[in-house]
Amino acid sequence: AQSVTQPDIHITVSEGASLELRCNYSYGATPYLFWYVQSPGQGLQLLLKYFSGDTLVQGIKGFEAEFKRSQSSFNLRKPSVHWSDAAEYFCAVAMYSSASKIIFGSGTRLSIRP
Amino acid sequence: SAVISQKPSRDICQRGTSLTIQCQVDSQVTMMFWYRQQPGQSLTLIATANQGSEATYESGFVIDKFPISRPNLTFSTLTVSNMSPEDSSIYLCSVEVGQDVGNTIYFGEGSWLTVV
Repeated sequence: AQSVTQPDIHITVSEGASLELRCNYSYGATPYLFWYVQSPGQGLQLLLKYFSGDTLVQGIKGFEAEFKRSQSSFNLRKPSVHWSDAAEYFCAVAMYSSASKIIFGSGTRLSIRP
Repeated sequence: SAVISQKPSRDICQRGTSLTIQCQVDSQVTMMFWYRQQPGQSLTLIATANQGSEATYESGFVIDKFPISRPNLTFSTLTVSNMSPEDSSIYLCSVEVGQDVGNTIYFGEGSWLTVV
């Protein structure tokens, strides 16, 4: 069965520092991969997605993610975080690009140190 | 893209009562989904709602507890019946836009329910 793991429950980084949020998936074939962000009191916003092609995916708000098949990973990165990036980040995996088949990770809460 | 509006955004409900959450989309979509996010947890799919057919429920969720309507291609409702404190959660509506590989899933801002 497919699954997704976000090993970091909570991460704190200083404003302006670089960020990497980890995501590992388990699936027999090439999955469809997503990163969503949930700000306090808000719904989920899609940051980026990977289906095929270039393994480095650019998203909104300056985020990018790299698909590494050999490591079964899809880590989210940002070169310089802003205080407004403080939020909960969810990695998700799907067998098909369908919300009925999406499995979400447990989330990583990002705090920003002034 | 799709803009999804949910009502209510927040509510405090009495134990034993029922509440209906509305989800309105600004474009016609085939598939709509309802998720639950319990405090501090990730999202769990409740059911898939396609227009003109019965909703399909995931394991652990039943129609008597979470009846869903899907009267047209832009609207759906989820009712949380006979609520208990364990139903205190965020309920999110989601839609899938596109018919092909690479389509996108959008979420509403959620309905935050607290059962007392």
